[in-house]
Amino acid sequence: DGGITQSPKYLFRKEGQNVTLSCEQNLNHDAMYWYRQDPGQGLRLIYYSQIVNDFQKGDIAEGYSVSREKKESFPLTVTSAQKNPTAFYLCASTLQGSGNQPQHFGDGTRLSIL
Amino acid sequence: GDSVTQMEGPVTLSEEAFLTINCTYTATGYPSLFWYVQYPGEGLQLLLKATKADDKGSNKGFEATYRKETTSFHLEKGSVQVSDSAVYFCALIPNTGGFKTIFGAGTRLFVKA
Repeated sequence: DGGITQSPKYLFRKEGQNVTLSCEQNLNHDAMYWYRQDPGQGLRLIYYSQIVNDFQKGDIAEGYSVSREKKESFPLTVTSAQKNPTAFYLCASTLQGSGNQPQHFGDGTRLSIL
Repeated sequence: GDSVTQMEGPVTLSEEAFLTINCTYTATGYPSLFWYVQYPGEGLQLLLKATKADDKGSNKGFEATYRKETTSFHLEKGSVQVSDSAVYFCALIPNTGGFKTIFGAGTRLFVKA
């Protein structure tokens, strides 16, 4: 079955450490997204990518970085510059070319500070 | 700018009660409208959508009608079950051709047996 796979499900970060969250999709979608969700909060957009080798900052990009070297993959790095990284991170993808396509989501990665 | 406003939760209902979760939006023209559901520890799943005025989206007993005159897309279900306990997100995609979805803050629903 096609879908989005996020790994790991749980991740712990030490002070001063960079960590990378994986997101892989086999839906042949062009656009991919990263969101941050805090307890009881909605989704905030971190980064998004419409095509390979191109990405744009979302609303809360500071302290995060991404790459899009392959259509299927859109990893997110939480850098040591992100001082409050504890949250639930969601990756999503969507078809390009139409403004009414819903987003497909992975099951998320929960990041905590050690 | 474009935005989505949902009623604040949590909403607590008894099984078989009628559900309404209000959603209003601000956007130019005719955005596409969506409801997503998030179960504990999972990502969001599309519940239903509507892409033009007066369209009704429906799925699993849930319905929502695109009301342009009131800029609303309220979610309804006639008889909720315990398994409907989740967080529900209203969302829109502007009709300006962008790739970003605008999400509401989410409404948590608890259904008691």
